[in-house]
Amino acid sequence: DVKVTQSSRYLVKRTGEKVFLECVQDMDHENMFWYRQDPGLGLRLIYFSYDVKMKEKGDIPEGYSVSREKKERFSLILESASTNQTSMYLCASQAPSYEQYFGPGTRLTVT
Amino acid sequence: GNSVTQMEGPVTLSEEAFLTINCTYTATGYPSLFWYVQYPGEGLQLLLKATKADDKGSNKGFEATYRKETTSFHLEKGSVQVSDSAVYFCALPLYSGYSTLTFGKGTMLLVSP
Repeated sequence: DVKVTQSSRYLVKRTGEKVFLECVQDMDHENMFWYRQDPGLGLRLIYFSYDVKMKEKGDIPEGYSVSREKKERFSLILESASTNQTSMYLCASQAPSYEQYFGPGTRLTVT
Repeated sequence: GNSVTQMEGPVTLSEEAFLTINCTYTATGYPSLFWYVQYPGEGLQLLLKATKADDKGSNKGFEATYRKETTSFHLEKGSVQVSDSAVYFCALPLYSGYSTLTFGKGTMLLVSP
């Protein structure tokens, strides 16, 4: 089975802090994604990566950056956390046949 | 790009009732289609998929058939259980040959004993 893990299930940070969310997959997939999920807004794509050191902006990249130094690890960085970044963050890894496999999610609260 | 439309919820059913959650899509060509399920507080899990027209995907008693004539991929289950209470998402690739998926807004299912 594909395993996607995220570094934290719950996280509480203060406004202005730098926040790192990490995601690791164990299936050697090339494609990885970061989404945020908010009530009534569905899943929104923040960033994705097709290869090591390669990244592409999604629909809502503002306020976020990413890092992919190794194939199995894809990190989402909030440079200066704000209250409007309180959300559920989901990481996914994608098989060559298109299906995406998700981690358990990180519920981030910024106070 | 491709897009998907799901029926709005919540869908409220009693245990052992028949379930249908509607999903229609707009796409170039015949991309793979997916259903995902999200239980409270969890990430999305792949429930089933179909890779070509007339394919039927199935898993855990759920089924969906890829209907190109009606551009639909409706999710069905003959007898729901309380444990099926979750949010269900229909999805397909955003572009042909382009790997990002686009997801429907999700349909919440609530099953009561």
